[in-house]
Amino acid sequence: NAGVTQTPKFRVLKTGQSMTLLCAQDMNHEYMYWYRQDPGMGLRLIHYSVGEGTTAKGEVPDGYNVSRLKKQNFLLGLESAAPSQTSVYFCASSRRLAGLSTGELFFGEGSRLTVL
Amino acid sequence: AQKVTQAQTEISVVEKEDVTLDCVYETRDTTYYLFWYKQPPSGELVFLIRRNSFDEQNEISGRYSWNFQKSTSSFNFTITASQVVDSAVYFCALSGGPFGNEKLTFGTGTRLTIIP
Repeated sequence: NAGVTQTPKFRVLKTGQSMTLLCAQDMNHEYMYWYRQDPGMGLRLIHYSVGEGTTAKGEVPDGYNVSRLKKQNFLLGLESAAPSQTSVYFCASSRRLAGLSTGELFFGEGSRLTVL
Repeated sequence: AQKVTQAQTEISVVEKEDVTLDCVYETRDTTYYLFWYKQPPSGELVFLIRRNSFDEQNEISGRYSWNFQKSTSSFNFTITASQVVDSAVYFCALSGGPFGNEKLTFGTGTRLTIIP
């Protein structure tokens, strides 16, 4: 089973360029998340979605946009990349149980983005 | 605001030694969940355990055990008879959000190195 798949795995951008990271999950999960991981900072939530057509801001949403047009996909966009957005990005998903997320996140392999 | 503190940035132990990873959390919620995730050198995060705030029983799974103490807001993780395969970064996390459980706040992680 594929689980959670992120594309691309690696990308180098110049300041001001735009790009989209794609996350796809095949587990029919309702919840999807985008986190960034930076040295010494742990994982910080960028945006998340509690279901198809919904999005919500996390801890560090500035400079990012997201869309969840299909249940299985969660896109993370950078409209004008900045060096501060150099990071490893992780997508995750979780299922709903009794109206809530189980909290058991299934993660993708990560996407390493470098902004020059 | 929710907060998770993992004061130990890095720990190194010799194989077969026991090791405890500390996690202290802050939340105003009366109902919440605590988690541990493992990030091996391959990079992909893996769920280890979920514990809800009403269940303070310790849990043991093989060489792994978890000690949840609400009185001290701690959720510590002990590996008994450590092995080289235990080398990883370990993250403690706390659930929360306006709908209950949909967001996880992660600590900054503890890098555990098991020396053969």
